[in-house]
Amino acid sequence: QSVLTQPPSASGTPGQRVTISCSGSKSNIGTNTVNWYQQLPGTAPKLLIYSDNRRPSGVPDRFSGSKSGTSASLAISGLQSEDEADYYCAAWDDSLNGRGVFGGGTKLTVL
Amino acid sequence: QVQLVQSGAEVKKPGASVRISCTASGYVFNNFFMHWVRQSPGKGLEWMGIINPISGSPTYAQKFQGRVTMTADTSTSTVSMELSSLSSDDTAIYFCARDGAARGYSYGSLDSWGQGTLVTVSS
Repeated sequence: QSVLTQPPSASGTPGQRVTISCSGSKSNIGTNTVNWYQQLPGTAPKLLIYSDNRRPSGVPDRFSGSKSGTSASLAISGLQSEDEADYYCAAWDDSLNGRGVFGGGTKLTVL
Repeated sequence: QVQLVQSGAEVKKPGASVRISCTASGYVFNNFFMHWVRQSPGKGLEWMGIINPISGSPTYAQKFQGRVTMTADTSTSTVSMELSSLSSDDTAIYFCARDGAARGYSYGSLDSWGQGTLVTVSS
């Protein structure tokens, strides 16, 4: 069972806006910033969002992140077929002398 | 460009150890911490630990304490991860990933990843 909780699946049609939630606790999301990763089939994860809502260069502005309290969300607007992937939230957790924690992942299907 | 190149796939018997290397290029190796993350077949990502390449000081996830050893060799820009007492539960793809803090990203944001190394544990 993952420390951060994500829905196992999400879906949308091309052009739609979808959101993926990530729920944690005070020791992780409540205290530290949230990162999001996109993993296409058969590839290594890619950093999509860091520091709750910042995009690395090259990531389209269709992707955005937000955080409130101990929960975070990833929003994808103007959904495209190539967005079909697994998405993971992650954060640093201050318990147990510090550790990285991930969500269980959300499989996004573009219908 | 930043590249993290990992060693090749391994097949091990239960009880054995495995050592995976990750060679970095395209940036100043000493300036960036390195993480190890694994992914069991069909499962999610699991954080294993982090190492400071200058001091060689690691921090391990509690789950792997006593079984994992992470090292860094600044002369070859290589980090290595050894996992001992393998069981079938350790069958997974293992990734090294650079921490982006030194380029202004938040600590714990993994901005570059290796290609992954498949470790299969089977009798």
